[in-house]
Amino acid sequence: KNEVEQSPQNLTAQEGEFITINCSYSVGISALHWLQQHPGGGIVSLFMLSSGKKKHGRLIATINIQEKHSSLHITASHPRDSAVYICAASAEYGNKLVFGAGTILRVKS
Amino acid sequence: DVKVTQSSRYLVKRTGEKVFLECVQDMDHENMFWYRQDPGLGLRLIYFSYDVKMKEKGDIPEGYSVSREKKERFSLILESASTNQTSMYLCASSFWTGVDEQFFGPGTRLTVL
Repeated sequence: KNEVEQSPQNLTAQEGEFITINCSYSVGISALHWLQQHPGGGIVSLFMLSSGKKKHGRLIATINIQEKHSSLHITASHPRDSAVYICAASAEYGNKLVFGAGTILRVKS
Repeated sequence: DVKVTQSSRYLVKRTGEKVFLECVQDMDHENMFWYRQDPGLGLRLIYFSYDVKMKEKGDIPEGYSVSREKKERFSLILESASTNQTSMYLCASSFWTGVDEQFFGPGTRLTVL
């Protein structure tokens, strides 16, 4: 079993839909990261959070430390949101990241 | 803005060749990382460095070595490239040795024939 599990692996949505991507982890963490990777592109950090909720534009990330679960929400999705979204956990000690396998999101117009 | 650059976007090499992948960051970051990314396996850590001339093995160091002679530059070396090293290689850096955001380079897609 991977230490960081994401679901779903693939997601197709219609423009305007509300999207949720889930991440569960089994290790002790100091923070949880959400990353975005466009096709052929590098990786961009969207959020780093250790408790509660963060919002940036149409993106919202939440974390529940007790349940070891985080979600990334996209409101009013748009085709330009099509990308791979990766969840990563900062190990409790040190600065290594443990990555989920990623969720491939496609938003159709 | 932090900028992490990698020497090549695409690289084609032959089996047995020695391959150098270079990464440079311009924000005086302490930590630098090399990952490879393969379909279905996600990102896996090859090596990281927390200071000049300091390095630690990641999860998959076999067949790779690294060099960090200057703070801004971190090189990944494939001593004798093999076809199973065909992959996307991503470099990243972060400022602090505690929990910190990592900034990624654009990646190098390496094909070993």
